[in-house]
Amino acid sequence: EIVLTQSPGTLSLSPGERATLSCRASQSVSSSYLAWYQQKPGQAPRLLIYGASSRATGIPDRFSGSGSGTDFTLTISRLEPEDFAVYYCQQYGSSPPVTFGPGTKVDIK
Amino acid sequence: QVQLVQSGAEVKKPGSSVKVSCKASGGTFSSYAISWVRQAPGQGLEWMGGIIPIFGTANYAQKFQGRVTITADESTSTAYMELSSLRSEDTAVYYCARVDGYNLVGYFDYWGQGTLVTVSS
Repeated sequence: EIVLTQSPGTLSLSPGERATLSCRASQSVSSSYLAWYQQKPGQAPRLLIYGASSRATGIPDRFSGSGSGTDFTLTISRLEPEDFAVYYCQQYGSSPPVTFGPGTKVDIK
Repeated sequence: QVQLVQSGAEVKKPGSSVKVSCKASGGTFSSYAISWVRQAPGQGLEWMGGIIPIFGTANYAQKFQGRVTITADESTSTAYMELSSLRSEDTAVYYCARVDGYNLVGYFDYWGQGTLVTVSS
């Protein structure tokens, strides 16, 4: 089973700043099968990025994903007020189980 | 536009079972897989297992093997997750989520609204 580690645990930033979130895998994630989700309190997760770098439908271009192998990054170029939330990475390699990282909380400084 | 609508909140006694439903609309139910993901209070996301309705085959995370059963009814476009031998640690919000295509393993592009299951004596 691939274990995902996310850093930092909490990121305190101001609106307009750039956010860089890291996701590291315990072994190589095949074919960059890595997704990112945003979750706000009381809501279901929302898909942001799949395939490490492809934005999901309707996701603003201030969200971008990069990386391969064991190291992946989610970047939010300029934080909007609605971007303060918890972000999870997920790997979906060739076989079950899929696994999630523990999450990074982006909160207002 | 796919919508996944889950059944309502449940309160269960330790040792009992719970069955949560997830009704899909939009899209073609037989053309994708449904997984179940749970989230304990203040915690992260945990994949429990999934099913490809057209094949009827389910796959479960090792942690839940023997305690969880995931089924699907194509005639009503509804997936079900039953968890037995409930304990307090099973208190969580349970989500169903869709993977497009005939693959249990993938990214989740649509999610249900979540069902809170509380296990308490």
